Amino acid sequence: DAKTTQPNSMESNEEEPVHLPCNHSTISGTDYIHWYRQLPSQGPEYVIHGLTSNVNNRMASLAIAEDRKSSTLILHRATLRDAAVYYCILPYNTDKLIFGTGTRLQVFP
Amino acid sequence: DVKVTQSSRYLVKRTGEKVFLECVQDMDHENMFWYRQDPGLGLRLIYFSYDVKMKEKGDIPEGYSVSREKKERFSLILESASTNQTSMYLCASSLSGYSPESEKLFFGSGTQLSVL
Repeated sequence: DAKTTQPNSMESNEEEPVHLPCNHSTISGTDYIHWYRQLPSQGPEYVIHGLTSNVNNRMASLAIAEDRKSSTLILHRATLRDAAVYYCILPYNTDKLIFGTGTRLQVFP
Repeated sequence: DVKVTQSSRYLVKRTGEKVFLECVQDMDHENMFWYRQDPGLGLRLIYFSYDVKMKEKGDIPEGYSVSREKKERFSLILESASTNQTSMYLCASSLSGYSPESEKLFFGSGTQLSVL
């Protein structure tokens, strides 16, 4: 099973960009990279996904390395509401997503 | 707005009790999942279901069973609750198929179960 590695925690100040890294050196050629986040006292929510090209949506941007062995979730201007645990995930057995422990992001005013 | 609803936010049960955790989704999704979340361990998959009356074991099925009699409802059953089953339980659903859209999970808010 392809696995991901993320730092346990990161910190940011409000209004600053945040780059959350993820290593996935065993990724297969067809695996999409998914990012979810979990706000306090809530279930995880989808953030973004990508295959090879960089992706943008209203929540974040996803930068994928050319060899696809790593990716970075970019929050362009962190807010206090972005404080959460961020999970970088690869699919297991096609349509199951296996979550690790993620990166806890703290945002300071 | 899409919704996955878990019947209870907090639940306290005694050791040995039979416990039912209910999950309902209104998105007509084929796939439904039960995870448990413990500090330091992340989310771990207990059981999942691809269709009505179908179920498959996840990574930690021991001590649990599931029921899916209707497409929208997926129940997690603790036949005889034990203290090591104290945890946050999260239900999720997704479409079927082999695409990133079908892999997208929608989660409920979770049920914090305490077994005393």
